[in-house]
Amino acid sequence: GNSVTQMEGPVTLSEEAFLTINCTYTATGYPSLFWYVQYPGEGLQLLLKATKADDKGSNKGFEATYRKETTSFHLEKGSVQVSDSAVYFCALRNSGNTPLVFGKGTRLSVIA
Amino acid sequence: KAGVTQTPRYLIKTRGQQVTLSCSPISGHRSVSWYQQTPGQGLQFLFEYFSETQRNKGNFPGRFSGRQFSNSRSEMNVSTLELGDSALYLCASSATGTSGRKVNEQFFGPGTRLTVL
Repeated sequence: GNSVTQMEGPVTLSEEAFLTINCTYTATGYPSLFWYVQYPGEGLQLLLKATKADDKGSNKGFEATYRKETTSFHLEKGSVQVSDSAVYFCALRNSGNTPLVFGKGTRLSVIA
Repeated sequence: KAGVTQTPRYLIKTRGQQVTLSCSPISGHRSVSWYQQTPGQGLQFLFEYFSETQRNKGNFPGRFSGRQFSNSRSEMNVSTLELGDSALYLCASSATGTSGRKVNEQFFGPGTRLTVL
C-alpha cells in the first residue's frame, strides 16, 4: 500500500538556520507529492506540491524536489523565521480520486 | 472566494452520545473529504463524498458515517461516542474529480475539535 515516512520531530532551529525535513514514500504508480503546514489551532494549508518526477515545488522560500530514484520529497528552506514554527506534513495522492496519505508530521520550532 | 468552513469549531460530548459535524466546501467544489487527526495516529482518511455519493471510505467502524447534500455541504456523524474518538476532525474540499493522473488540490478547513469525556 501507499505510505509516507517523515523524520520525527520536534526540530528546533535558530532563526536564519537552514531547514531540511526528510520525507520518503512508498506508492504504486506515479503519485503526486505534497507538503502541508499546520499552524497552531488551524487546519492544514498546502505549502507546495510536485506532480511528476524531477518537478520542484516551491513557495514562501520552501522547496522540495520529487526524486523518483530515491522515492523522496525532502522539504528545505535556506533561512527559517520564527513565523515558520508549525507542524509540517508530507503527503501523497495517487490520482485525482484517491485520498491523501499523510506522514506523521514534523513539529518545527524556530527560536529568535 | 470563501474558504472551507466547519462548524462547530469545538465540541464536548460524553461517552455514548452521538455528534454531527458540518462542513461547507469552497463554492464550486463538489468533492468533500473528512480526516481524523489524533496525536497517536496522525491524519487518517475517513471518507469522501462527490455529488452526494460516497466515493471512497477509510478503515473506520460503522459508527462513523457521513452524507453530502445537493449544495455540496457535508455532514459527518459519529454515534455511540468513545473516548478514543476525541480528535480534530478536518474537512477538505476539491474541485470536480477526474480519472487518470490529474490531481485535484485539497483545501482544508480549520477543523472541529471534539472532546469526549
